[in-house]
Amino acid sequence: ETGVTQTPRHLVMGMTNKKSLKCEQHLGHNAMYWYKQSAKKPLELMFVYSLEERVENNSVPSRFSPECPNSSHLFLHLHTLQPEDSALYLCASSQDLAGGPRDEQFFGPGTRLTVL
Amino acid sequence: QQQVKQSPQSLIVQKGGISIINCAYENTAFDYFPWYQQFPGKGPALLIAIRPDVSEKKEGRFTISFNKSAKQFSLHIMDSQPGDSATYFCAVRGNTGNQFYFGTGTSLTVIP
Repeated sequence: ETGVTQTPRHLVMGMTNKKSLKCEQHLGHNAMYWYKQSAKKPLELMFVYSLEERVENNSVPSRFSPECPNSSHLFLHLHTLQPEDSALYLCASSQDLAGGPRDEQFFGPGTRLTVL
Repeated sequence: QQQVKQSPQSLIVQKGGISIINCAYENTAFDYFPWYQQFPGKGPALLIAIRPDVSEKKEGRFTISFNKSAKQFSLHIMDSQPGDSATYFCAVRGNTGNQFYFGTGTSLTVIP
């Protein structure tokens, strides 16, 4: 595996279910991100982790719970979601948060989530 | 408040033509201005990026023009090809590195 991988690629869940999205980066990066991509709306940055510590939480509802057990893995735990949470959830990683020549974020293919 | 405004929402260009997508931002505390390209079923991929200390950056057929005083930057795709058909996003990054704001995207179609 190379780059940033995400599983599952598609997920359908009811509002009372609990599920988790998984992201793995094979790039040796120190920073990881969760984004939400909805139709006709800008990508929304949800969470930022640097060296396994959460450094940003953009007023995301508590029904979304991130976890970063090590610098290569990032999870997004979901519970009691709403239909409006249906979207493409993208994971990304970068060498570091800011500064230096290597600012590029590498995105995974996303998990298409549908909440019924 | 939307930090980045992107236009147009969609664009149709003939093969060989020039595609131009524009973005305007609000806050001056941004230090990095990337453009991403996204194909269906894929995540966004960095296309080209610029820092505010230069006014233009060119990589192959892709050029970013940056106007710091007007708080605007644009992507120019020269000699557009059908393979360039994708959605393009501009973004800005806060100088603490913790915040990225994206535009709403431009769907580009290049007609053979």
